[in-house]
Formats: sequence, structure tokens, C-alpha cells
Amino acid sequence: EIVLTQSPTTMAASPGEKVTITCRASSSVSYMYWYQQKSGASPKPWIYETSKLASGVPDRFSGSGSGTSYSFTISSMETEDAATYYCHQWSSTPFTFGSGTKLEIK
Amino acid sequence: QVRLKESGPRLVQPSQTLSVTCTVSGFSVTSYHVSWVRQPPGKGLEWVGAIWKGGSTDYNSALKSRLSISRDTSKNQVFLKMNSLQTDDTGTYYCAKHGRGSYDYWGQGVMVTVSS
Repeated sequence: EIVLTQSPTTMAASPGEKVTITCRASSSVSYMYWYQQKSGASPKPWIYETSKLASGVPDRFSGSGSGTSYSFTISSMETEDAATYYCHQWSSTPFTFGSGTKLEIK
Repeated sequence: QVRLKESGPRLVQPSQTLSVTCTVSGFSVTSYHVSWVRQPPGKGLEWVGAIWKGGSTDYNSALKSRLSISRDTSKNQVFLKMNSLQTDDTGTYYCAKHGRGSYDYWGQGVMVTVSS
């Protein structure tokens, strides 16, 4: 099973601040996927195939990486970006998720 | 319009079997894979298993011995059955459609509590 280690677990950012979340895989994966989840809601696809933005996602979001090391970046934090973000791999079963990063606004 | 809706019991007794149905519309389960994902209260997401568009299945290895995923193509429904439930199986169970490189649509989830 591929374990995804996400960091940080929680963080707070001020409006306009740059945010970076990392996700490390225990084995190489082809792509990384990211989901946004707000309290009481279902997760939403956010970034797919490492760097492609899902429909409706603002371009202040970006993703990068390869092999076992991936990152998720918000170039300029906005209030609406406060949420929990999960990385996810489906290169091999069992598919796995990172433990999540709870991002709060300062 | 793509929709997925989970339905099932909100309360299940320990050692009993959970049965959850995912009813989909706007796409065919024979054309797209569907996964189940669960989330304990206040915790992260866990992939439970998937049924591929061809009908084969894959399961989380930690749950495999207790889990069965099946479908009814005539009703466009996917089923999750998990036996020998314990309290740590409590959580929200989601079904999600596999799309272009991600789970592009999710159901609203069904919150299941395992308790006597």
C-alpha cells in the first residue's frame, strides 16, 4: 500500500499569503490528485494529474511534483480557500489519501 | 446532470451488516467506475473500494474480508455491504464517480453510526 504523508497537518495563512502543502508518497506514483473539503460538505476535485485544475478552480491554485514528492500551492490566500485539502493517489490499489491539511485564515 | 445519492441505515448495531446503496443518474455505471470512500467523524478520507465499469471490483485490503461491492445495471445502482461492523466503522460513506483523472462527482454521503 502506498502511504501518503501530507504536511503540515494544520496551518493558518493571512489573506494574500502564499501557501504550500506537500505530499510525499512511500512509493512512486504517476500523478497526484488533490481534493478540497469544507465542513459538512462532500470533497470536491481540485487538482488532477498533478497540475491540472478542476473545473471552476481559480488559477491562484497550482500543483507540481513527480515520483514521490508533490506539492500544492495557493499563490495568494483568500478567505474562501479555508478548507481541508487531501492528496490522493490512484496509481495502484488500494488507492490512498493523505491525512489532510486543514488550512485556516488568519 | 450527474448525481449520486447514497441511502442506507443511519444506525447499525455492532457485529451487524451495513448495506448502502448509491443511486446514480446522468451517467451509466457500465460506462464509468464508481468508488466508495468513507470518513470517520472529524477524521480523514479512506478509500473503501471500487467497482469498475466492466463489473470487477477492488477493495481496501484492510476491509476486504468484510466487504462486498456490487451493482444493478438495470437500476444504475451500486451497492456496498460490509459485515461484522464495529464502532470504528462509524462515519460518512460516500460514493464517487471516476471521471477525467479524479473523482469528479460525489454523493452527499450517508452518516452511519455503529452503536448498540
